[in-house]
Amino acid sequence: DVKVTQSSRYLVKRTGEKVFLECVQDMDHENMFWYRQDPGLGLRLIYFSYDVKMKEKGDIPEGYSVSREKKERFSLILESASTNQTSMYLCASSPQGGRVTSGANVLTFGAGSRLTVL
Amino acid sequence: AQKVTQAQTEISVVEKEDVTLDCVYETRDTTYYLFWYKQPPSGELVFLIRRNSFDEQNEISGRYSWNFQKSTSSFNFTITASQVVDSAVYFCALSEARSGNTGKLIFGQGTTLQVKP
Repeated sequence: DVKVTQSSRYLVKRTGEKVFLECVQDMDHENMFWYRQDPGLGLRLIYFSYDVKMKEKGDIPEGYSVSREKKERFSLILESASTNQTSMYLCASSPQGGRVTSGANVLTFGAGSRLTVL
Repeated sequence: AQKVTQAQTEISVVEKEDVTLDCVYETRDTTYYLFWYKQPPSGELVFLIRRNSFDEQNEISGRYSWNFQKSTSSFNFTITASQVVDSAVYFCALSEARSGNTGKLIFGQGTTLQVKP
């Protein structure tokens, strides 16, 4: 019954390291998202992608990049990790928009990746 | 600008009590969608409900009910006869039509609900 899988549940990295967070979905969804969750701030959108090789900045893209080479996979990249990027990262996917169908803008989330940058 | 506010940071109740989680939103769009998600300790957000801006009917699903009032820009969530398994973080979210129905959501800060036995 796996739908959205995030490759690492817990990561510990050092400042300046390059970090890859991987996300794979098996629902053939067109849209994929990376959110960051911090206490008191809720979820904030980092990047999203509505098609292969397409990406759009969310509300807090600084310090991050993404890659979507295949429909089912959406990677979040921290080029040079910093301590203020210590957080919970949540990947999500949703089916194609256009006219909203019964599930078109409902996100399915992964279990999250908790990143600590020392 | 669009915004979702969940003023209650943490709520603690005893099992079988009713509890209401508040959600207030701001948007300039006339067409929008409101959501509630539950995040249990396992971490994965679970979709609970979606309402569109043209449907103000309240909805009930078992012990859960939702009260949508456009006049006060609120979309409150009530759990009746709470249970320990209801302990989680609950997020309210908004999706505007201008987002192209891509699923781009704006989330509130979340409310942590603790239900004690």
